[in-house]
Amino acid sequence: NAGVTQTPKFQVLKTGQSMTLQCAQDMNHEYMSWYRQDPGMGLRLIHYSVGAGITDQGEVPNGYNVSRSTTEDFPLRLLSAAPSQTSVYFCASSRFAEGYEQYFGPGTRLTVT
Amino acid sequence: GENVEQHPSTLSVQEGDSAVIKCTYSDSASNYFPWYKQELGKRPQLIIDIRSNVGEKKDQRIAVTLNKTAKHFSLHITETQPEDSAVYFCAATDTGRRALTFGSGTRLQVQP
Repeated sequence: NAGVTQTPKFQVLKTGQSMTLQCAQDMNHEYMSWYRQDPGMGLRLIHYSVGAGITDQGEVPNGYNVSRSTTEDFPLRLLSAAPSQTSVYFCASSRFAEGYEQYFGPGTRLTVT
Repeated sequence: GENVEQHPSTLSVQEGDSAVIKCTYSDSASNYFPWYKQELGKRPQLIIDIRSNVGEKKDQRIAVTLNKTAKHFSLHITETQPEDSAVYFCAATDTGRRALTFGSGTRLQVQP
């Protein structure tokens, strides 16, 4: 099993550009989530999904969209990139829900100039 | 929503000493409290977790204690080694949102 994979590993965007961060898992996990990690602020939840076709907002959802058309994939879309979105983004999955081990992907380091 | 506070933000110990990291949470219905370790440039990985029906759990040199009345839980690492150097995050379930809320992290440095 590859586990949780994310692409790209690094990305530089200009302000106003849009892009999609890809996340996939091959463990048949129902629960998937996106976090951003900023220095001194831990991991903050952006969006999450409890199953295919179901998504919900986390703590910091503004400026981001998600969709969950399959169990395996959970892409995160930045609508119009801003310098405040410079961060490291982690995707995670869990077999059932938030009350179980979260398996994190390797992360995407995004810089917005 | 859930609020998790973690202390200290940095911790330096000598090899062989013990390290303790403390977290408090606000959601009295929280029932799952994991701890993650993140090495530099790597992804967070679960090292130990505890559920609300248990007061203490131990795994070799690592232990977690939970006080539900006071709404705090702690990570204890004994006989620290240089490879324990990393950032440690606590987390608690946000029952209103069906999500995990993480603390801000503790950077542990073990001096050889």
